[in-house]
Amino acid sequence: DTAVSQTPKYLVTQMGNDKSIKCEQNLGHDTMYWYKQDSKKFLKIMFSYNNKELIINETVPNRFSPKSPDKAHLNLHINSLELGDSAVYFCASDDRNTGELFFGEGSRLTVL
Amino acid sequence: ILNVEQSPQSLHVQEGDSTNFTCSFPSSNFYALHWYRWETAKSPEALFVMTLNGDEKKKGQISATLNTKEGYSYLYIKGSQPEDSATYLCALGSGNTGKLIFGQGTTLQVKP
Repeated sequence: DTAVSQTPKYLVTQMGNDKSIKCEQNLGHDTMYWYKQDSKKFLKIMFSYNNKELIINETVPNRFSPKSPDKAHLNLHINSLELGDSAVYFCASDDRNTGELFFGEGSRLTVL
Repeated sequence: ILNVEQSPQSLHVQEGDSTNFTCSFPSSNFYALHWYRWETAKSPEALFVMTLNGDEKKKGQISATLNTKEGYSYLYIKGSQPEDSATYLCALGSGNTGKLIFGQGTTLQVKP
């Protein structure tokens, strides 16, 4: 069983479209994250939810809207996609006892 | 702006060599220092989470040390094996929100 799973793994779309990436974790963790791997390969935090409540919202364009229907799911919806949104997006959850992050395998978004 | 720097960016060693990498971070606002191992086509996996100055942690042939006063952590691999080839990421936690600031990583290639 995959602990943190993201779908889709690959997404190719046109500028201006709206798309979603889904994430689910079966670890029972309360906190989930979205990270973006930028063009220089850095992992940068975008959002964090704790038990369905938004706790971190970095300076991300408001075209990006996270949604957490329950603590096991954190989906990322992106409106009006732009070329610069092309990146690999990683979902993660953390064990609050150890602080360790558990990552999904990433979703590669390509905007044409 | 908090910056986490890792050096070297990449490293090529022969099987059996021992190696070490450095992670530098601002010593103010320190909360925790994480190390992750990221193999190609997989997701990052936690190696260590360290919180105390002088902490030393070990997992198999991999160990890490932490100096929060001077703002650095070392990761050591004793007797590298080809399966140790990966990118090693360090990340600074600067508060109890779970937010991590990642370095760019050190990519290790171990030749048989």
